[in-house]
Amino acid sequence: AQSVTQLGSHVSVSEGALVLLRCNYSSSVPPYLFWYVQYPNQGLQLLLKYTTGATLVKGINGFEAEFKKSETSFHLTKPSAHMSDAAEYFCAVSPMNTGFQKLVFGTGTRLLVSP
Amino acid sequence: DARVTQTPRHKVTEMGQEVTMRCQPILGHNTVFWYRQTMMQGLELLAYFRNRAPLDDSGMPKDRFSAEMPDATLATLKIQPSEPRDSAVYFCASGSSNQPQHFGDGTRLSIL
Repeated sequence: AQSVTQLGSHVSVSEGALVLLRCNYSSSVPPYLFWYVQYPNQGLQLLLKYTTGATLVKGINGFEAEFKKSETSFHLTKPSAHMSDAAEYFCAVSPMNTGFQKLVFGTGTRLLVSP
Repeated sequence: DARVTQTPRHKVTEMGQEVTMRCQPILGHNTVFWYRQTMMQGLELLAYFRNRAPLDDSGMPKDRFSAEMPDATLATLKIQPSEPRDSAVYFCASGSSNQPQHFGDGTRLSIL
């Protein structure tokens, strides 16, 4: 079985500051890991995904995430926040042996960016 | 860019009425998912299909909800009769074994 824990339902940063959104997962088999972003009145949009290979994954809009198996973590970072990054972010996991099928989502973290 | 298309984007109706939400998955995607999002419960998986066959609908209230895929280009989610507690945003997503899920922009449903 898989589960995802996102620490912090809300994270506030100033424009230009580092963004760090935390995600820890539990999976009985090797996982695929994902970050999605949701802007107001829109659906979820894929930011980045980890499948196999390089553990540091780069996504859209300057975001990246690092898969750390020993820590069962997949934290999302961006060096410098922009006002347009304000949105809700969801971490998700699926078992590698099922491909990109059923995802288990975390409860989401709302990122607030102040000028 | 290929997109998942959901209609209608907004629906307001009175309790007891039938509601039908439609989804056109991305061409070539063989898996379709229905989710419901509310402030209280967050994102919930209602049902999903692979190659038009239902695989799991355990998240769906069986007495009033039904989901179908009449063909590969159309998925439907129906509520009959609707109740105020069904008010939510309903998302459709599509994917495949080598393509992650792509989401539509949702149907915002209000039951009065």
